[in-house]
Amino acid sequence: RKEVEQDPGPFNVPEGATVAFNCTYSNSASQSFFWYRQDCRKEPKLLMSVYSSGNEDGRFTAQLNRASQYISLLIRDSKLSDSATYLCVVNIQGAQKLVFGQGTRLTINP
Amino acid sequence: DAGITQSPRHKVTETGTPVTLRCHQTENHRYMYWYRQDPGHGLRLIHYSYGVKDTDKGEVSDGYSVSRSKTEDFLLTLESATSSQTSVYFCAITSGGGSSYNEQFFGPGTRLTVL
Repeated sequence: RKEVEQDPGPFNVPEGATVAFNCTYSNSASQSFFWYRQDCRKEPKLLMSVYSSGNEDGRFTAQLNRASQYISLLIRDSKLSDSATYLCVVNIQGAQKLVFGQGTRLTINP
Repeated sequence: DAGITQSPRHKVTETGTPVTLRCHQTENHRYMYWYRQDPGHGLRLIHYSYGVKDTDKGEVSDGYSVSRSKTEDFLLTLESATSSQTSVYFCAITSGGGSSYNEQFFGPGTRLTVL
């Protein structure tokens, strides 16, 4: 079983729609959680950290469910510029390393 | 901008030749990482460094070596390149340490093709 699993998609949604991604992780000692965004042929860039209480940044909302070991990302009022691959990322407690999911590809259609 | 550069940005080489990729950072971060990214596998850690001359292996370290003689530079060497090492290589840094872990920031990547 992979340490971090995501639905690879692709997700194709119309502009203005709400889209949600889930990600599951296998190690219960995971301590820190992030969502990264990666555009085609570019480096991954941090979208947002995920906190236990959930957090929001504009149109983006991240949730963490430690009991079920999953993380979610919700994008509201999607824009064409949201088209990218979204990477779920987890850090294991005590390890200065991150584990990346394979990514979920999202395309927003006009 | 995390002040990370990678060189070269693109390279084509032949099987069996040595290749060295360079990662350079300008902000004195302690931790540096090398990843490769391939379709179907996502980002996989090759090696990382937690200080000058302090390095450790990641999950896909076979065929790769690293060196860090200065805080700002982290070198990745393919001693004898193989076609399976054709990939996009990303360097990353974090200022993390202590009880909490900080996010990583990535360089622009190096596209390596081994013929």
